[in-house]
Amino acid sequence: EAEVAQSPRYKITEKSQAVAFWCDPISGHATLYWYRQILGQGPELLVQFQDESVVDDSQLPKDRFSAERLKGVDSTLKIQPAELGDSAMYLCASSLSPGQGAGRNEQFFGPGTRLTVL
Amino acid sequence: ELKVEQNPLFLSMQEGKNYTIYCNYSTTSDRLYWYRQDPGKSLESLFVLLSNGAVKQEGRLMASLDTKARLSTLHITAAVHDLSATYFCAVTPLGNLIFGKGTKLSVKP
Repeated sequence: EAEVAQSPRYKITEKSQAVAFWCDPISGHATLYWYRQILGQGPELLVQFQDESVVDDSQLPKDRFSAERLKGVDSTLKIQPAELGDSAMYLCASSLSPGQGAGRNEQFFGPGTRLTVL
Repeated sequence: ELKVEQNPLFLSMQEGKNYTIYCNYSTTSDRLYWYRQDPGKSLESLFVLLSNGAVKQEGRLMASLDTKARLSTLHITAAVHDLSATYFCAVTPLGNLIFGKGTKLSVKP
């Protein structure tokens, strides 16, 4: 069964260091999402890609966060410098482009990267 | 401001009992999702509700949607310990998912 892959699964870093997370969506899924989930809360969207283009990054703290999907397939989310408040689960999800099929827009989530900033 | 409110946020149940989790949302959405999350794990899709009056059932869980009231319910029948998890509802007013805060369910023997 096709799955969204993420790495690393766990990351511990010190504040002010740089961290990067990787996501490989389900093959054929043009839309890719990065979410941040703080402990005890629901996930919140950070950035949404359609192919290689950013569709929505309104909630991405652009002074320290960046995201790219250069070839429209896998994606990298970077934080530089990391702050204590960045400790969270970072979830990647993918979906078929809107309008394709009965299950359009249904998002499939990867296993997540648990970030701890010390 | 778009709001997705779940209640209760915490639910402790005894095995064999029934209960309902409520999800209210403040804007129109063409679909509503229910997800399950186990501690430290990712999100597992449970139900996608596409229209007013939609009802879906899987095992001991049944979800329904009332788009006029902007309300969805997740009903648990004869709870078992394996259902212990956090349950999230989410809506898609603009294509991306907006989640509630989740309901942490604990089923005790």
